[in-house]
Amino acid sequence: SQTIHQWPATLVQPVGSPLSLECTVEGTSNPNLYWYRQAAGRGLQLLFYSVGIGQISSEVPQNLSASRPQDRQFILSSKKLLLSDSGFYLCAWSARTGGKQPQHFGDGTRLSIL
Amino acid sequence: QKEVEQNSGPLSVPEGAIASLNCTYSDRGSQSFFWYRQYSGKSPELIMSIYSNGDKEDGRFTAQLNKASQYVSLLIRDSQPSDSATYLCAVPPSSGSARQLTFGSGTQLTVLP
Repeated sequence: SQTIHQWPATLVQPVGSPLSLECTVEGTSNPNLYWYRQAAGRGLQLLFYSVGIGQISSEVPQNLSASRPQDRQFILSSKKLLLSDSGFYLCAWSARTGGKQPQHFGDGTRLSIL
Repeated sequence: QKEVEQNSGPLSVPEGAIASLNCTYSDRGSQSFFWYRQYSGKSPELIMSIYSNGDKEDGRFTAQLNKASQYVSLLIRDSQPSDSATYLCAVPPSSGSARQLTFGSGTQLTVLP
């Protein structure tokens, strides 16, 4: 069966520090991968998605970036965190087969910026 | 008009009652519809998928789809306090980027013991 791992589960970072969140998927090949952010009490905001190695689409211009160095690895980064980057970061995957597939989420990383 | 709309709630029902959660969508060509459950502080979990008009039942959950009315609902029978969560409706677009889902803002459900 497919599993998705995200780490760390929680992170406290000072303003201006760098960020690296990692997500890996097991049990499937060529998945679509997604990064979302959810502010407290709010809906899901799609940040990036990827359909293959090195292929990244950005949905929201900001100080975050994403990379996909391997088929089942997705990384979210920032060179300098802002207070507004606080939130719950979720990685998700979906199958790339034809048709419209659901997305499956990791456990998320709760990021607090001080 | 939002692409996927849900009543934000909160919706409160007594234990044992039927909870009815509603979702409307604007893309008439959408073919797939998903319901996610998100407990407070946790990530969304897929609980139902529906692709055809009519009802789909899975245990205490029933998804209902009416494409003509662009309406999908989730019924929870014999509601339990453990069903208290936010329920998200998600719909992929019929054209363009087939890789994305549009999520509703969610309906917060509280089941009162």
